Amino acid sequence: DAMVIQNPRYQVTQFGKPVTLSCSQTLNHNVMYWYQQKSSQAPKLLFHYYDKDFNNEADTPDNFQSRRPNTSFCFLDIRSPGLGDAAMYLCATSRVGWGEGNQPQHFGDGTRLSIL
Amino acid sequence: SQELEQSPQSLIVQEGKNLTINCTSSKTLYGLYWYKQKYGEGLIFLMMLQKGGEEKSHEKITAKLDEKKQQSSLHITASQPSHAGIYLCGADLMDSSYKLIFGSGTRLLVRP
Repeated sequence: DAMVIQNPRYQVTQFGKPVTLSCSQTLNHNVMYWYQQKSSQAPKLLFHYYDKDFNNEADTPDNFQSRRPNTSFCFLDIRSPGLGDAAMYLCATSRVGWGEGNQPQHFGDGTRLSIL
Repeated sequence: SQELEQSPQSLIVQEGKNLTINCTSSKTLYGLYWYKQKYGEGLIFLMMLQKGGEEKSHEKITAKLDEKKQQSSLHITASQPSHAGIYLCGADLMDSSYKLIFGSGTRLLVRP
């Protein structure tokens, strides 16, 4: 089945130690998103890639970076994780383009990040 | 997000009962999406609404978008324990945008 896959499901890192979360998709969608979701809160968009174009949200800390080496893969890098970065990180994809109309975003199962 | 308000925040119902969850915005909802999230997992897409007055159903779940496109409701008929989870509405608040704003969710528990 076509899907969005996030690895790992659970990640534990030390305060200040860089960490990378990965996302892959078999849907061939041109847009990929990274969200941060803290307990009992709404998912918050960090950034997205429209094809190869990177789009950062204005309030996303510089500590968060992303890479999209090809259509199928997207990575979230946290350069120096702080205790406040402990959260669920969700990857989503969608198909956007002329004539596509509104399309739903499809989400992976998320990576829960803990900071020691 | 304060741009999208969900109510109630949590809901406990007895199995077999009907329930309604609301999603309200002060802005026009150009696209309204309902998702379900189980604890510790990702969001599962349920339904998408675009037109004022639109209504969609899947199994025992019905979603509606009001004529003014500022409020949506999700109605579950004859609830079952499998309906338990967090229901989130997501909205496109700018025409032709593909970025969603999410409500903070409604946590549903269904007692057998």
